[in-house]
Amino acid sequence: EVQLVQSGAEVKKPGESLKISCKGSGYNFINYWIGWVRQMPGKGLEWMGIIYPVDSDTRYSPSFQGQVTISADKSTSTVYLQWGSLKASDTAIYYCARPPQGGSLWSGSYFDYWGQGTLVTVSS
Amino acid sequence: SYELTQPPSVSVSPGQTASITCSGDKLGDKYTCWYQQKPGQSPVLVIYQDTKRPSGIPERFSGSNSGNTATLTISGTQTMDEADYYCQAWDSNTVVFGGGTKLTVL
Repeated sequence: EVQLVQSGAEVKKPGESLKISCKGSGYNFINYWIGWVRQMPGKGLEWMGIIYPVDSDTRYSPSFQGQVTISADKSTSTVYLQWGSLKASDTAIYYCARPPQGGSLWSGSYFDYWGQGTLVTVSS
Repeated sequence: SYELTQPPSVSVSPGQTASITCSGDKLGDKYTCWYQQKPGQSPVLVIYQDTKRPSGIPERFSGSNSGNTATLTISGTQTMDEADYYCQAWDSNTVVFGGGTKLTVL
């Protein structure tokens, strides 16, 4: 069974750093892209970026380029999303998601496996 | 940047047909998928590649895409279908989500 299990909720102060995780299991981890999606409180879904663990090819949404770093650890089948200096506006639920097929992304790609979400709260 | 526009809310009576639109420039030339999200839950894919339904999704969910508009149709809407719905497409190798539509069944 394919599973994406995310790390637990975090409470941080502005200016602190943070790395949250998404661990894949039940499939050949390195061959599937995994993306990150932000959902601010009461708001919609926002695409952040995506990584291909086999070679760490990473693509960022222009809105998030330079604001976060996406990485992957093949040895632990885990993808990470990290911030160097959090802001209150980073308060949100963050989801990881995976398309059903491995290999190349294309215009018809979609995401049918989602993690349970990680709530990040940034407050002084 | 590419934008997908959805109505903020749609209301439907139980048993009736709900239509949720998603508009974007030449959207019909792209593939669109739809996600359902209930409060406190992760999104669930309900339609992919414009018209296809994943296994386990009821037949009352259907999709279409032509011109500048993709449409999610729920026939015989049930109270359990009350949720937020998001369309999604790709543009310039980037995923784009619509702003979401809250479907109220009353």
